[in-house]
Amino acid sequence: SQQGEEDPQALSIQEGENATMNCSYKTSINNLQWYRQNSGRGLVHLILIRSNEREKHSGRLRVTLDTSKKSSSLLITASRAADTASYFCATSGGYNKLIFGAGTRLAVHP
Amino acid sequence: GAGVSQTPSNKVTEKGKYVELRCDPISGHTALYWYRQSLGQGPEFLIYFQGTGAADDSGLPNDRFFAVRPEGSVSTLKIQRTERGDSAVYLCASSLRQNNEQFFGPGTRLTVL
Repeated sequence: SQQGEEDPQALSIQEGENATMNCSYKTSINNLQWYRQNSGRGLVHLILIRSNEREKHSGRLRVTLDTSKKSSSLLITASRAADTASYFCATSGGYNKLIFGAGTRLAVHP
Repeated sequence: GAGVSQTPSNKVTEKGKYVELRCDPISGHTALYWYRQSLGQGPEFLIYFQGTGAADDSGLPNDRFFAVRPEGSVSTLKIQRTERGDSAVYLCASSLRQNNEQFFGPGTRLTVL
């Protein structure tokens, strides 16, 4: 079974616009991670935010975490066509067994 | 250095056959994970190894699924009497230690006819 849900399920934007994806989860966590996946194959790790952190940045990525609401958001600024992919949040409880959501499919149009 | 590798990249088999899927983790990574991903879904946890031992196999769907990691490096996921519902992409990941970033391999796409 999956831990949480991403919202929206699909997102279509123009190059240069910002993309925001949300993730909700159900149980307490040690950390939350965001991954990107192209063409249904290898997952690429984007960013990890620990349960005692509220915001983290990496390049054009900004992740927030609200443990009281059990939710996280991923913001991609100034999107590019190459950002087209599926994005997954994954939560980690004890030893880092990851529980993934169903993902957001992002399409960035030139 | 090399990332996580998985072989084969694609495997087509017939219902009822036995298959083995191999994962080579990043050298020195003690933790190894197997996940399964069905079309349109996120990956689902199958089993976790810390060293040679399976620390958590709670995600294995039934006793047709088994995995080993005899020397604490390469792991093999074994599926007996395959069923059409086993068709999915099987992903392997490794991390330096628990609670660290997991690095994923490209996956093995298993198709059971």
